[in-house]
Amino acid sequence: DAKTTQPPSMDCAEGRAANLPCNHSTISGNEYVYWYRQIHSQGPQYIIHGLKNNETNEMASLIITEDRKSSTLILPHATLRDTAVYYCIVSGGSQGNLIFGKGTKLSVKP
Amino acid sequence: GAGVSQSPRYKVAKRGQDVALRCDPISGHVSLFWYQQALGQGPEFLTYFQNEAQLDKSGLPSDRFFAERPEGSVSTLKIQRTQQEDSAVYLCASSLVRGSGGYTFGSGTRLTVV
Repeated sequence: DAKTTQPPSMDCAEGRAANLPCNHSTISGNEYVYWYRQIHSQGPQYIIHGLKNNETNEMASLIITEDRKSSTLILPHATLRDTAVYYCIVSGGSQGNLIFGKGTKLSVKP
Repeated sequence: GAGVSQSPRYKVAKRGQDVALRCDPISGHVSLFWYQQALGQGPEFLTYFQNEAQLDKSGLPSDRFFAERPEGSVSTLKIQRTQQEDSAVYLCASSLVRGSGGYTFGSGTRLTVV
């Protein structure tokens, strides 16, 4: 079973920030938080990952709480092309398998 | 190529037919994963290769499913005697190092068993 809890769906207005929450209260010390997204009819796309520090790249920012039990993915200026299912995944260890849950379906509206 | 390539993009099989799905990972990528994605669900792990070694096949749903990567590059997922419940998108992913988590996925093969 997935180790994360995400809301099933969210809406966001085009041009506004999209803040996608994720709870991972059972995360262990060596596990990373990964975010992927899946646009319709495509394979999942890697967005960002982090261990305990906040991270930022050209796609998004990842804010991880100090106790690491939850995180938020921030898309600073959402566009219509950001409409997708966003998956929050906790993974670590030697195998590095990604266990996907059902994700959050983000709909960006004009 | 620049990404993970999967073929065919779509496959329709009659129930009981054998199918073979191909994955061309990014050149030099050590780790290769296969996932199965049913409609409306997240991808589910099937199996993992490090180079040519199949290190984890715990997600394969039955002995009708078989995967190989004989030379440590191209991989094939074979499904024997297909059943309707095998209808799904089969995704392949690769990464440069084991356990890095930053995988590159292909677009998948959509298998429909009729």
